[in-house]
Amino acid sequence: AQKITQTQPGMFVQEKEAVTLDCTYDTSDPSYGLFWYKQPSSGEMIFLIYQGSYDQQNATEGRYSLNFQKARKSANLVISASQLGDSAMYFCAMRGLNTGGFKTIFGAGTRLFVKA
Amino acid sequence: DAGVTQSPTHLIKTRGQHVTLRCSPISGHKSVSWYQQVLGQGPQFIFQYYEKEERGRGNFPDRFSARQFPNYSSELNVNALLLGDSALYLCASSTTRSQGADGYTFGSGTRLTVV
Repeated sequence: AQKITQTQPGMFVQEKEAVTLDCTYDTSDPSYGLFWYKQPSSGEMIFLIYQGSYDQQNATEGRYSLNFQKARKSANLVISASQLGDSAMYFCAMRGLNTGGFKTIFGAGTRLFVKA
Repeated sequence: DAGVTQSPTHLIKTRGQHVTLRCSPISGHKSVSWYQQVLGQGPQFIFQYYEKEERGRGNFPDRFSARQFPNYSSELNVNALLLGDSALYLCASSTTRSQGADGYTFGSGTRLTVV
């Protein structure tokens, strides 16, 4: 069975500082993809970053980077230079790529508060 | 280009009633997935449709059904509504069936309240 665990219900960060949001996962699928999404109060889920299980390098997208440690089954999101607009819910998600890839599993989320 | 559009944005229904939620994917996207997000939780997978065929189904009762039309838009139907069906229903579109590295593009959701 696949599972995503996000152990931080809420996080505070000072504006312009970096913050790490934790994510661990469990899967028996040998090939999988890991995703992070942002959900502002408006409700829309916004895709941030993707990491494939066979990718050798950690993914980066602007101020977002994914700290992928395969042996530890962790896929932490690092947001650098936090901005007030980063305040939102953040979800870690996973999709098995060998099982038809039709189902994405989401964690419970971490609410990030950016302080001015 | 328009993003994923969902209608209605908000809905209030009574227990036992039926509801239909609608989703129009991004132009050129042939895959539509439906997710239920209960307050305080992450989204839970309900269905995926690709090229008008059901490709996957989550652990939801038969009261939940969906379909995809030739223009790739989709409907989610829920019969005999229960209080526990109150949630944000999210539609996501992508270009491919297997999806791979494709991050979903989500709509803003339909917030369903069952009273």
